[in-house]
Amino acid sequence: GAVVSQHPSWVICKSGTSVKIECRSLDFQATTMFWYRQFPKQSLMLMATSNEGSKATYEQGVEKDKFLINHASLTLSTLTVTSAHPEDSSFYICSARGRSSSTYEQYFGPGTRLTVT
Amino acid sequence: QKEVEQDPGPLSVPEGAIVSLNCTYSNSAFQYFMWYRQYSRKGPELLMYTYSSGNKEDGRFTAQVDKSSKYISLFIRDSQPSDSATYLCAMTASSGYSTLTFGKGTMLLVSP
Repeated sequence: GAVVSQHPSWVICKSGTSVKIECRSLDFQATTMFWYRQFPKQSLMLMATSNEGSKATYEQGVEKDKFLINHASLTLSTLTVTSAHPEDSSFYICSARGRSSSTYEQYFGPGTRLTVT
Repeated sequence: QKEVEQDPGPLSVPEGAIVSLNCTYSNSAFQYFMWYRQYSRKGPELLMYTYSSGNKEDGRFTAQVDKSSKYISLFIRDSQPSDSATYLCAMTASSGYSTLTFGKGTMLLVSP
């Protein structure tokens, strides 16, 4: 099956600093990547959708200036949490979909746990 | 009313039991229904997907969709301790460029 990796798997940062999370599709070209956020015992909440070479589309309520998404290549998307605050602490998961794949054929990364102190 | 409702559990069963996991939804436009398994601190893994109403079987897993009742189920036969995980349902209206709507997930614990 298709493999998606995320790096780092866990990061701790101080309030006010920025953190970058990478999402890579290892064995297929991901024309679309999705970024989700998951709080404990809550469902995955879609933050934004990005297509390679285009600006990301953010869901309502997600601050685009705070959560910067870049999808510069067919195998890499990054999420940068700028000026992080403790309330940004969460589990961030990316998923990727290939060019001719259906919506349900999203392959998820292992997630990144962000703790802001 | 949330778009997708799912009992968070935990659901505890002995090894070998038949497990039934369910979701209800309110959006009649949903056509594609997925079940994901998520182990602790890991990303979700697609188990099964179903289009419209009906049943689909894959090994020990059976997915059922009843669009008239807006109700979907995942059955696990001969449950194993390795099945212990959180199971999330997800659905979408289109197979094309559309997003998934997830339930909160049900935590399943299978004891040996």
